[in-house]
Amino acid sequence: EAGVAQSPRYKIIEKRQSVAFWCNPISGHATLYWYQQILGQGPKLLIQFQNNGVVDDSQLPKDRFSAERLKGVDSTLKIQPAKLEDSAVYLCASDARGGGRPETQYFGPGTRLLVL
Amino acid sequence: AQSVAQPEDQVNVAEGNPLTVKCTYSVSGNPYLFWYVQYPNRGLQFLLKYITGDNLVKGSYGFEAEFNKSQTSFHLKKPSALVSDSALYFCAVRADYESTGFQKLVFGTGTRLLVSP
Repeated sequence: EAGVAQSPRYKIIEKRQSVAFWCNPISGHATLYWYQQILGQGPKLLIQFQNNGVVDDSQLPKDRFSAERLKGVDSTLKIQPAKLEDSAVYLCASDARGGGRPETQYFGPGTRLLVL
Repeated sequence: AQSVAQPEDQVNVAEGNPLTVKCTYSVSGNPYLFWYVQYPNRGLQFLLKYITGDNLVKGSYGFEAEFNKSQTSFHLKKPSALVSDSALYFCAVRADYESTGFQKLVFGTGTRLLVSP
């Protein structure tokens, strides 16, 4: 079974530029998560999708971050304009469903973003 | 609110010795707990989870975790450490959204395990 795919793996941009990350979850997984992991910290949930609907985006800085999952499969996370403090690893994860039995989330390799 | 705490930033152990990485939790209701490992430049890999039942949970790569309700702990253990176990370990707890039935994971700050030859 293929895992969660993410691209690009690394990205370097200057502040005020825009950047986009892509994620393809495990086939059949209805729930998709985007996390931000700043160096030395645990992952912080940015947004959670159930199919193509948003379950939680309370921690997403909506003035600069946006995310979509139009067809309920792959997803894109965008930052525009980027700030220095956005330098982090952006992790995508998926699981089979969002409620009831505690499902295991499976993570992609992440995209390491450096904002100069 | 659901939370986990990992009191140690780093754990050092010699190869062949037993290792323990500590985690304590705070939840309302039943605790659903997870351990993940992160190698350099990699995403998080699932090790094991506790849902219910036996307090000793066995997982991947020879790791196990002991759930202790009275001490609200979920420590990760391995009888004999390998140099290749050196990595960053995260404890996480499931948190439920009220009224929707959906869930999310809340992660600890992580513990770096360093196994010396």
